[in-house]
Amino acid sequence: KAGVTQTPRYLIKTRGQQVTLSCSPISGHRSVSWYQQTPGQGLQFLFEYFSETQRNKGNFPGRFSGRQFSNSRSEMNVSTLELGDSALYLCASSLLAGAIDTQYFGPGTRLTVL
Amino acid sequence: AQSVTQLDSHVSVSEGTPVLLRCNYSSSYSPSLFWYVQHPNKGLQLLLKYTSAATLVKGINGFEAEFKKSETSFHLTKPSAHMSDAAEYFCVVSPIYNQGGKLIFGQGTELSVKP
Repeated sequence: KAGVTQTPRYLIKTRGQQVTLSCSPISGHRSVSWYQQTPGQGLQFLFEYFSETQRNKGNFPGRFSGRQFSNSRSEMNVSTLELGDSALYLCASSLLAGAIDTQYFGPGTRLTVL
Repeated sequence: AQSVTQLDSHVSVSEGTPVLLRCNYSSSYSPSLFWYVQHPNKGLQLLLKYTSAATLVKGINGFEAEFKKSETSFHLTKPSAHMSDAAEYFCVVSPIYNQGGKLIFGQGTELSVKP
């Protein structure tokens, strides 16, 4: 069974631009969560989607948004990029909603903001 | 509120010697606890998880962890380190009264293995 895939793997953007990252969960998984990883803040929860509905959101500004499609694929968007948005963005999928079910992570998208 | 503290930011061992990575948690309820490993430029891989069954949990690649409620600890161990174990390890807590997919990560422990 294929794992979680994320595209693109690397991105370079400039301040003020916007970016869209994509995540395809493991087949059959309906929950997708997003995390931001930076050297200073570590791994922080962004949001979770289940059956096209956002179930929970972390403490990030409204510039960070996401959505989930009927095939469970998810996208996250960051508008008006700032230097501090440079990070590894990780997507995780699970069969069920909620963090009790095991989350399987993708390789991440490395975003660099110049 | 739930939280997790990894007591060492960096651990260095020699190949063939035991590994101990320490983790303490704080939770108002019985938590689910996980250990994940991250190799350079890779995503996170689940090593093992505790969900209120046996207190000694066995994971992949010879790792195991023991849940000790009295000490609020969930330390990760391996009898004999291998060079391929060099990576960053994260202790993770998820409250059983879940907050919608939100895993709470420790700051990570970087494990170095010397030949």
